[in-house]
Amino acid sequence: NAGVMQNPRHLVRRRGQEARLRCSPMKGHSHVYWYRQLPEEGLKFMVYLQKENIIDESGMPKERFSAEFPKEGPSILRIQQVVRGDSAAYFCASSRSGLAEYNEQFFGPGTRLTVL
Amino acid sequence: GNSVTQMEGPVTLSEEAFLTINCTYTATGYPSLFWYVQYPGEGLQLLLKATKADDKGSNKGFEATYRKETTSFHLEKGSVQVSDSAVYFCALSDRTNFGNEKLTFGTGTRLTIIP
Repeated sequence: NAGVMQNPRHLVRRRGQEARLRCSPMKGHSHVYWYRQLPEEGLKFMVYLQKENIIDESGMPKERFSAEFPKEGPSILRIQQVVRGDSAAYFCASSRSGLAEYNEQFFGPGTRLTVL
Repeated sequence: GNSVTQMEGPVTLSEEAFLTINCTYTATGYPSLFWYVQYPGEGLQLLLKATKADDKGSNKGFEATYRKETTSFHLEKGSVQVSDSAVYFCALSDRTNFGNEKLTFGTGTRLTIIP
């Protein structure tokens, strides 16, 4: 049973370009979470999505960042017009549901974004 | 808001040494507490958890006790192995108004065990 898949594992962008990070949840999981880890900091919650719905985006920067989880295909975290401060590791996690007994979050290996 | 403070690394120990990685937290309410481990090139894996005060989580020889009076959740292992080399993250979760569990992490502690 494959775990959470993220790609690419490493992404290099120049300032002003767009970055697209993909996350395929574990089989049977319909809840996705995105976290960001800036250098020397802990993981910080960004957004929580269910299929076709953004449920909690309280951790998302107000501009340039967006996320989606379409009915078919992976979840996408999109960063427009990247700046050097966006350089970080971005982790995706998935869970079977939000109910207490099924809400353990399983993490992917992360995408390391470097902005030149 | 919620926060987690954990022992800064890196930590280097000899095989069979005793391990303690300190973790303290600040939270409103009664969060659940977790330790996650990240091996090189892999995602974070849940190591153990505790959901209420005085609970002890344990797994693979690791233990941590939820201490409400000291707001701590220190990770311990009596005899470490080379295979325990990894980055360890302390975290807490709190249920949001949207119904989801939001995790708040510490900065991670890199542990290296030398033979």
